[in-house]
Order: sequence, then structure tokens, then C-alpha cells
Amino acid sequence: AQSVTQPDIHITVSEGASLELRCNYSYGATPYLFWYVQSPGQGLQLLLKYFSGDTLVQGIKGFEAEFKRSQSSFNLRKPSVHWSDAAEYFCAVASRGGSYIPTFGRGTSLIVHP
Amino acid sequence: DTAVSQTPKYLVTQMGNDKSIKCEQNLGHDTMYWYKQDSKKFLKIMFSYNNKELIINETVPNRFSPKSPDKAHLNLHINSLELGDSAVYFCASSNIRTSGRANEQFFGPGTRLTVL
Repeated sequence: AQSVTQPDIHITVSEGASLELRCNYSYGATPYLFWYVQSPGQGLQLLLKYFSGDTLVQGIKGFEAEFKRSQSSFNLRKPSVHWSDAAEYFCAVASRGGSYIPTFGRGTSLIVHP
Repeated sequence: DTAVSQTPKYLVTQMGNDKSIKCEQNLGHDTMYWYKQDSKKFLKIMFSYNNKELIINETVPNRFSPKSPDKAHLNLHINSLELGDSAVYFCASSNIRTSGRANEQFFGPGTRLTVL
């Protein structure tokens, strides 16, 4: 069974600073990988996803993520954070066989200082 | 033109009561889900329906019963509510037929259930 680890519960950055949120997964092969964002009081919205091909994936709102097979990681990055990026971020992994239900990480709460 | 909608948004009730949460999606998706998000933001799958048929039923108390009258609706009924049921419940949908296992899920805004 797959699993996802988001090692950082909270991340605090200043507006305009760069951001990297970490995600590590455990799965026997290359999984499907997702990043979702949850704004306060809202449901989750897909930021980006990786299925195959180019390991650097571009998403909405200026986010990107890089799949690194050797590190079993799929870290989310943004070069310059805006105050509106403050939210909860979830990494998720789905297997290429068996259940297609994604497994979500525990989430990382992003706090943005002015 | 909301894609996935849930009602109510907030639900406050007493222990022992029975309540329902409704979910509707207008995306034409074939699969719908219920998730529970606890106070630590951990998101756990509860049920999944594909074309009105139950396909995933994780270990949840049988006080929780999903009902799918058609492909666009998946309601969650909870009997004999307990304090531990307090959480945010999210409905989601996806299109397994077209996207297969690489399925992007579209989430509703959530229903915050508080059991007193």
C-alpha cells in the first residue's frame, strides 16, 4: 500500500520569499502524484499532478513540483509567495494498480508574513 | 454553476440524533466520494460510489450509510451521532471512465459537523 509523508506541519515564509513544501511517498513503483490546496473554510483544489514524462510539472497559481524517483519525493515550489497563498497544502499519491483512491498526506499549513 | 455542492455547510446537533448531508455534482462524473477530515486536518476516505454502486467502503461505523439515488448525488446519513463524529465531511467526484487511475478529484466546500 502507498503512503505519503509531509514532514513539515507548519511552514512560515515572508511575502515575496520562495517556498518549498516537502512530500515523500512510499510505493513500489512510480505512482500518480498530486498536490492539492485547501484555503480556509474551503474544499481541496488541485494545484498540479504528475503521471509520467517530464518530471518538472507546472500547475496553477504559479506553483510547480518536481518528481525525483531516486528520493521518492514530489516537492512543491513557488518562487515568490503571495499573502493569498496562505492555506493548507496536501500531497497525495495514487497507485497504478489496485485501488485508485489517493492517499493524502497530513498536510502542511503555510503561513505568510507581510 | 458550482461543480460539487454540499448542504448544509454547518451542522450542529446533539448526541444520539440522526442527520444527513447532501452532495451533488454537475460535472457529469461517474464516481463520488465521502471523506472525513479530523481536527488535525487528516483526510480519510470513507466511501466511494461508481455509477451508483458502492465500490469502496473503508472501516467506518455502520451508523454511517451512504445513499446514491443517481450518479450526480451521494448523500451521507449518520445515525446515533457521537461526539467523535465531529469533523468536516467532504464530498468529491471524479471521472474514472476517462481518467482512470490518474483521477483528479473535485471537492465540495465541506460540511462542518459539530456534535454536542
